[in-house]
Amino acid sequence: TQLLEQSPQFLSIQEGENLTVYCNSSSVFSSLQWYRQEPGEGPVLLVTVVTGGEVKKLKRLTFQFGDARKDSSLHITAAQPGDTGLYLCAGNWNQGGKLIFGQGTELSVKP
Amino acid sequence: EAGVTQFPSHSVIEKGQTVTLRCDPISGHDNLYWYRRVMGKEIKFLLHFVKESKQDESGMPNNRFLAERTGGTYSTLKVQPAELEDSGVYFCASSQLGPRREEQYFGPGTRLTVT
Repeated sequence: TQLLEQSPQFLSIQEGENLTVYCNSSSVFSSLQWYRQEPGEGPVLLVTVVTGGEVKKLKRLTFQFGDARKDSSLHITAAQPGDTGLYLCAGNWNQGGKLIFGQGTELSVKP
Repeated sequence: EAGVTQFPSHSVIEKGQTVTLRCDPISGHDNLYWYRRVMGKEIKFLLHFVKESKQDESGMPNNRFLAERTGGTYSTLKVQPAELEDSGVYFCASSQLGPRREEQYFGPGTRLTVT
């Protein structure tokens, strides 16, 4: 049983396009993190969202936490080849506890 | 500030052998976590230390896996005896106690191959 469904699993787009990655669950999370992982490296924390409805921006990346704290999205505006990588969402039910990971979205941005 | 470090970066062992993985968390981080990613699957939780105590070991697959964190600093994860299905990438993460404790910072991982 997959507790955190992430979609799409693969995404190949042209430079300059916009994209959205979704993370959905039937469970309520106390917080949700988005990570980016490069080959041979560990996940790098991009952002943490805690409050339902919260929106955070990191340059061209916009992160949103659903009102019910069961889902989240990552939107990238005007994607660049440097955005290529594996994006992971991960939630936890109690702050400081274990993270539940989605399957990841492999993003490829072609010049 | 140094990040989470893990050693070794790669390990290739034969079935039945023993391997010990080491994790050094970010200095001052009392929370330490072990995760694993097997090929084709999502990253899965193994266990969580708060200082030297095991807070949650619900993800440990079986008693061939032993994790320790003596002194509450670095941690080791021993697999004995290793089986083929233990192959994967083992990640360690750490976070501080108190505010922002949900922010876990990951090490580069140890790629374990059991042949």
